[in-house]
Amino acid sequence: DTTVKQNPRYKLARVGKPVNLICSQTMNHDTMYWYQKKPNQAPKLLLFYYDKILNREADTFEKFQSSRPNNSFCSLYIGSAGLEYSAMYLCASSSDRGMYEQYFGPGTRLTVL
Amino acid sequence: GDSVTQTEGLVTLTKGLPVMLNCTYQTTYSPFLFWYVQHLNEAPKLLLKSSTDNKRTEHQGFYATLHKSSSSFHLQKSSVQLSDSALYFCALSDPAEGADRLTFGKGTQLIIQP
Repeated sequence: DTTVKQNPRYKLARVGKPVNLICSQTMNHDTMYWYQKKPNQAPKLLLFYYDKILNREADTFEKFQSSRPNNSFCSLYIGSAGLEYSAMYLCASSSDRGMYEQYFGPGTRLTVL
Repeated sequence: GDSVTQTEGLVTLTKGLPVMLNCTYQTTYSPFLFWYVQHLNEAPKLLLKSSTDNKRTEHQGFYATLHKSSSSFHLQKSSVQLSDSALYFCALSDPAEGADRLTFGKGTQLIIQP
């Protein structure tokens, strides 16, 4: 089973409120990623976990948090949502540190009002 | 930093015609190149991948050849089907900067008409 699951598929949030998105995989992959995709833009890597080590991209360092309580689950946390956070959030996982293939979930569409 | 350029945002074709989706890239080192396809409301799925210069790679009727001399990895198919309607992303992974990171292009929406 090469499925990456994301919950919820759609999320509506209010400005200033926290948002927590969930991703899971059962492939025992060591690396899990979060990407942000806005219309007419390329998916942008936000952060990734290699095992228990979190790596956050420099330009989004303070905007997103994440946790990985076990190998299968990874969350993306926004402490105070702003309008600019409205986007599709894609989770992916891989083995061999992404050298060969990342497996993606269907995404969570976040709308901030 | 690395970058990937997909020049066409939208391509509309009639069933049975050939297609080529452009992908060029900039990177300092020797990358892995990927094509991902995303059908409506589904997860992006890997379609093709390559790191070998001048070698054609094929899958599900699609093919691409990595040309390092021109920094290109164009996606082609000789006869498109209605089921090929989807969003296609070109991406690269640069082992020298950490193979973890995929740098994506903006994507090309392919619409196939009857």
